[in-house]
Amino acid sequence: QQQVKQSPQSLIVQKGGISIINCAYENTAFDYFPWYQQFPGKGPALLIAIRPDVSEKKEGRFTISFNKSAKQFSLHIMDSQPGDSATYFCAASMRDGGSQGNLIFGKGTKLSVKP
Amino acid sequence: NAGVTQTPKFQVLKTGQSMTLQCAQDMNHEYMSWYRQDPGMGLRLIHYSVGAGITDQGEVPNGYNVSRSTTEDFPLRLLSAAPSQTSVYFCASSSYGTIYFGEGSWLTVV
Repeated sequence: QQQVKQSPQSLIVQKGGISIINCAYENTAFDYFPWYQQFPGKGPALLIAIRPDVSEKKEGRFTISFNKSAKQFSLHIMDSQPGDSATYFCAASMRDGGSQGNLIFGKGTKLSVKP
Repeated sequence: NAGVTQTPKFQVLKTGQSMTLQCAQDMNHEYMSWYRQDPGMGLRLIHYSVGAGITDQGEVPNGYNVSRSTTEDFPLRLLSAAPSQTSVYFCASSSYGTIYFGEGSWLTVV
């Protein structure tokens, strides 16, 4: 049972365009939703995260939109740049308690931004 | 600031061999974990630890052992390597839910 479903698998966007990656989760106990960015040969790095008490969080060109009733959240990258080309993973966890680091990951989206 | 350090970076093993992937963190985090990353599968949790002396299984623990004798170190042992364990392994540590990953260990079992 895949608890976090991510789409699309791959995405090609022109420079300056908007990249949108979507995720859906099943477990209503999840209360922490991070996005990770991974470049080839590197470990995933935290990009931005949100908790379900807010519907949107923005950091620079990156925005998370969160819909608690639909159990969906998405990453928007505004003014996409070639340097944003990477694989993006959404994830979910229960932030409190002993298993607070146990992230459940989506399968990833490979983003290519064309110049 | 080293963060999370993994060794080795690359390793080739023969089926049946054993080895240990090392992981160390210098952030004094209580929580540490190991994930494996396979193409099209995302990252899957192997084992985790919430503090020295405490370990537990994640989603895909079979074939792997861990121990946590100190806060800093969390080694992952492959007891008898199998081709299905060919993967990229990431160690991570966490503070208040924010997880920091190491650079990864590429393991090939032939």
